[in-house]
Amino acid sequence: KAGVTQTPRYLIKTRGQQVTLSCSPISGHRSVSWYQQTPGQGLQFLFEYFSETQRNKGNFPGRFSGRQFSNSRSEMNVSTLELGDSALYLCASSLEWGAGEQFFGPGTRLTVL
Amino acid sequence: EDQVTQSPEALRLQEGESSSLNCSYTVSGLRGLFWYRQDPGKGPEFLFTLYSAGEEKEKERLKATLTKKESFLHITAPKPEDSATYLCAVQAGGSEKLVFGKGTKLTVNP
Repeated sequence: KAGVTQTPRYLIKTRGQQVTLSCSPISGHRSVSWYQQTPGQGLQFLFEYFSETQRNKGNFPGRFSGRQFSNSRSEMNVSTLELGDSALYLCASSLEWGAGEQFFGPGTRLTVL
Repeated sequence: EDQVTQSPEALRLQEGESSSLNCSYTVSGLRGLFWYRQDPGKGPEFLFTLYSAGEEKEKERLKATLTKKESFLHITAPKPEDSATYLCAVQAGGSEKLVFGKGTKLTVNP
């Protein structure tokens, strides 16, 4: 069974630009969660999508948004990039929403210059 | 606000030297506590779920335990391949989101 895939794996952007990250969950998993990981703050929850609806949201500004498609694939968008947005963005999938057992992808490393 | 504190931040062991990692938490109504392992350049990998005080789970050289305020991850006779960052996360009742600690980076020298 294929694992969670994320594209692209690496991304370099400049301040003020916007970026879209993609996540394909494990086949049959209907929930997708997004996290930001930095050395200083650790892993922080961004949002969770289930059945194309955002079910939960973390404490991030509105510049961070996401969506989920009917095939459970998900995208995350960050607009007006800031230097502090440089981080590893991780996607995790699970069978149902609110599951603590989650399967993570390898992440997208975003660098903002 | 739900909080998770892991200690120590980093731990170096010799192969075969057993030790424990600590995860202290403050949460309003624990729904579950989760341990993950993260290798460099990879996403976290699920290890255990603990639901109530007194519960224990084992997997190879790892054993996770839970009390009302903290969880321990015991590593018995570790091997170099156990080197990784171990993350603890809690999920509060009524909230589906996971709150992670900052992790303990474990290095096991041969």
